[in-house]
Amino acid sequence: QQQVKQSPQSLIVQKGGIPIINCAYENTAFDYFPWYQQFPGKGPALLIAIRPDVSEKKEGRFTISFNKSAKQFSLHIMDSQPGDSATYFCAASMRETSGSRLTFGEGTQLTVNP
Amino acid sequence: DADVTQTPRNRITKTGKRIMLECSQTKGHDRMYWYRQDPGLGLRLIYYSFDVKDINKGEISDGYSVSRQAQAKFSLSLESAIPNQTALYFCATSDLGGLYNEQFFGPGTRLTVL
Repeated sequence: QQQVKQSPQSLIVQKGGIPIINCAYENTAFDYFPWYQQFPGKGPALLIAIRPDVSEKKEGRFTISFNKSAKQFSLHIMDSQPGDSATYFCAASMRETSGSRLTFGEGTQLTVNP
Repeated sequence: DADVTQTPRNRITKTGKRIMLECSQTKGHDRMYWYRQDPGLGLRLIYYSFDVKDINKGEISDGYSVSRQAQAKFSLSLESAIPNQTALYFCATSDLGGLYNEQFFGPGTRLTVL
């Protein structure tokens, strides 16, 4: 059973568009929500992360929005660029494991057309 | 340069063969992980290790075993490979301590079982 569900599976936008990737989780013990970015032929790398005591976190063009009551969080990419084309994974973990046990979503393959 | 390396990068084998995937890291991290990535399923944790004497099963450990030979080395074995173990395998590391620790991924091993 997938504890973190991610949508959409794939997404195509034009340069400058704002792709949005959504995730929902089941386990209310989760208290750390990172996003990882993966380019073809590479391993995933941490992009941005949020804890549920805030509703939004922004780093550069990347923003996480978090809705604790709905158990949902999303990634927004402002002014998207072709270089943002990658697979994005949301994940969740809990404090007791120091973030060691990450539960990943299914992944979203993003394509940003020039 | 500090890094997480995986060998081999690609492997094709036959059903029933024993396979070992190796991971080495120069980051000095105590925690190491093995994941497999399948399209539409995201990344799933196979095994993880918090130090040389500590090995823990992840969510999909059946059919796999691991060995932590040293702080820097963590190997994944498939004792008798089967076709549904065809996947992309990633090793990752994280530091000890702190509330939530970023995981650093290797470049992956693409395994095909015929």
